[in-house]
Amino acid sequence: AQRVTQPEKLLSVFKGAPVELKCNYSYSGSPELFWYVQYSRQRLQLLLRHISRESIKGFTADLNKGETSFHLKKPFAQEEDSAMYYCALRSGSARQLTFGSGTQLTVLP
Amino acid sequence: ETGVTQSPTHLIKTRGQQVTLRCSSQSGHNTVSWYQQALGQGPQFIFQYYREEENGRGNFPPRFSGLQFPNYSSELNVNALELDDSALYLCASSLAAASGGNEQFFGPGTRLTVL
Repeated sequence: AQRVTQPEKLLSVFKGAPVELKCNYSYSGSPELFWYVQYSRQRLQLLLRHISRESIKGFTADLNKGETSFHLKKPFAQEEDSAMYYCALRSGSARQLTFGSGTQLTVLP
Repeated sequence: ETGVTQSPTHLIKTRGQQVTLRCSSQSGHNTVSWYQQALGQGPQFIFQYYREEENGRGNFPPRFSGLQFPNYSSELNVNALELDDSALYLCASSLAAASGGNEQFFGPGTRLTVL
């Protein structure tokens, strides 16, 4: 069965510092991985997906199949990046999402 | 374009009761997925409906059931409520089932409290 692990529940960094949110997965097939973000009082929304290999709001994430990881990175954190971040894996006949437990990122001024 | 809406926003029920939660999908979307998010956890997949048929199901008992209507709106029904059913219930809509690349758009959720 698939599993997504986010080892850090809370992460605090100072504005301008690099940030890395960790995500590890367990899946026997070829993974489709995503990062979702939830800003305060807003709904859950897609941040980026690994197949797009894109940078969104300065964030990037590289799929490392050898380490089964999909860490989210940003070189210079901004206060507006403060939010809850969820890593998710898509699988199954319904293409359903399996989420990690989330990391609350706080960017301090 | 109208986003995903859910009703009600909050709901309080007692153990053993039944509850119905509602979701209107985003305009043009024909697939609705339901997730349960317990406090401090990520969303957990309950089931998905595509063109009014259940298209996949997570590890939830049969007392969790659903419907999808011709206009693609959906209901989640939970019978014989238990205390552990207290959670945020999220609905997500997308354009098509079992096809890659289609993003799921989430609603604001319904907060269910079971006393």
